[in-house]
Amino acid sequence: DTAVSQTPKYLVTQMGNDKSIKCEQNLGHDTMYWYKQDSKKFLKIMFSYNNKELIINETVPNRFSPKSPDKAHLNLHINSLELGDSAVYFCASSQDPGGNGDNEQFFGPGTRLTVL
Amino acid sequence: GENVEQHPSTLSVQEGDSAVIKCTYSDSASNYFPWYKQELGKRPQLIIDIRSNVGEKKDQRIAVTLNKTAKHFSLHITETQPEDSAVYFCAAVYGTGNQFYFGTGTSLTVIP
Repeated sequence: DTAVSQTPKYLVTQMGNDKSIKCEQNLGHDTMYWYKQDSKKFLKIMFSYNNKELIINETVPNRFSPKSPDKAHLNLHINSLELGDSAVYFCASSQDPGGNGDNEQFFGPGTRLTVL
Repeated sequence: GENVEQHPSTLSVQEGDSAVIKCTYSDSASNYFPWYKQELGKRPQLIIDIRSNVGEKKDQRIAVTLNKTAKHFSLHITETQPEDSAVYFCAAVYGTGNQFYFGTGTSLTVIP
């Protein structure tokens, strides 16, 4: 069974377009995340979200917005795509990030976005 | 916010030797320190973690040590094998716990 899934796996698009990446977790976790991994393999957090709060990394342009229709989904919308947005985007989820329980993050398989 | 530094960025060792990767963090409120392994083209996966009330944790060939006073923690891999070759990320978690700050990664190559 897939714990954290993302679609699509590959996304190639033109500059200026608007696109979305979907993420779903079937682990019953309360918190979901989006990360960007660039060509140098740096893994940078973009958003974390649970039913109480959305935490946004202040370096993320407002062209990026997370949308959560329910606890199991956190989709990433990107407007007016730019060349520098090309990267691998990972979704992740965890159960109890703030407590003493299971903090492990489970990552999705990643979406490789290429902006031409 | 938290700042996590990781060294070295690349590391090559002979099979059977040990590998050590070090990370430092800036926020004393950080209380959870996981290590993730990312094989080429795959997703990061947790390999070991440690909490701020523990100084050392071991799981077979891998171990993690934490020095809260100095704000640094390290990953130790003994008897390295070719399948240990991957990018390793440390992370520090602080505040509400929703913020995972990753280090810049270490590309480990184990030479057969």
